[in-house]
Amino acid sequence: AQKVTQAQTEISVVEKEDVTLDCVYETRDTTYYLFWYKQPPSGELVFLIRRNSFDEQNEISGRYSWNFQKSTSSFNFTITASQVVDSAVYFCALSESGNTPLVFGKGTRLSVIA
Amino acid sequence: DADVTQTPRNRITKTGKRIMLECSQTKGHDRMYWYRQDPGLGLRLIYYSFDVKDINKGEISDGYSVSRQAQAKFSLSLESAIPNQTALYFCATSDLGTGVARTGELFFGEGSRLTVL
Repeated sequence: AQKVTQAQTEISVVEKEDVTLDCVYETRDTTYYLFWYKQPPSGELVFLIRRNSFDEQNEISGRYSWNFQKSTSSFNFTITASQVVDSAVYFCALSESGNTPLVFGKGTRLSVIA
Repeated sequence: DADVTQTPRNRITKTGKRIMLECSQTKGHDRMYWYRQDPGLGLRLIYYSFDVKDINKGEISDGYSVSRQAQAKFSLSLESAIPNQTALYFCATSDLGTGVARTGELFFGEGSRLTVL
């Protein structure tokens, strides 16, 4: 069965610090898809990234970067030079074969303090 | 207008009442989902539908039912609401997860906050 663990419940950092949000997943499939979503205080869910199991290249998008390591079943998310607007709950999610509903981790609440 | 619309956005009701949350989408997606969010528990799947004739239970379907009235409409019902169904409910849609330009990404509505007293 598929499972996603986000061990960090809450993280608090000072603005401009770098922060890494951890995500560990479990699946028996060789084909799967990993996602990150952001939920700002306004409550909507915002898609950040999708990565398939055959693509282990790290990805960078501005201040955001993602480190996918199949050897440790992890898909960690790093925010560089954090800003107050990064304050949100971040969810990691997994879909086996890309054809099953997403299973979400419990989320990590990030607070960036000015 | 939002691509995925949920109504009502907020609802307060009493124990034992029947409640329906409605979801409509203009994305043209076949797949629709209902998730529930509770603090510290993340998002948990209640029901999902891969097309109009397909309904599947999710992780926490007890106490809920759904209806897929059309490709664009997917409703969630609480036949007899109880206080521990107080939560934030999200409807979502997706395309197929495989194939060129198909991401499997979920597109969420803005959420329906339900309080059961």
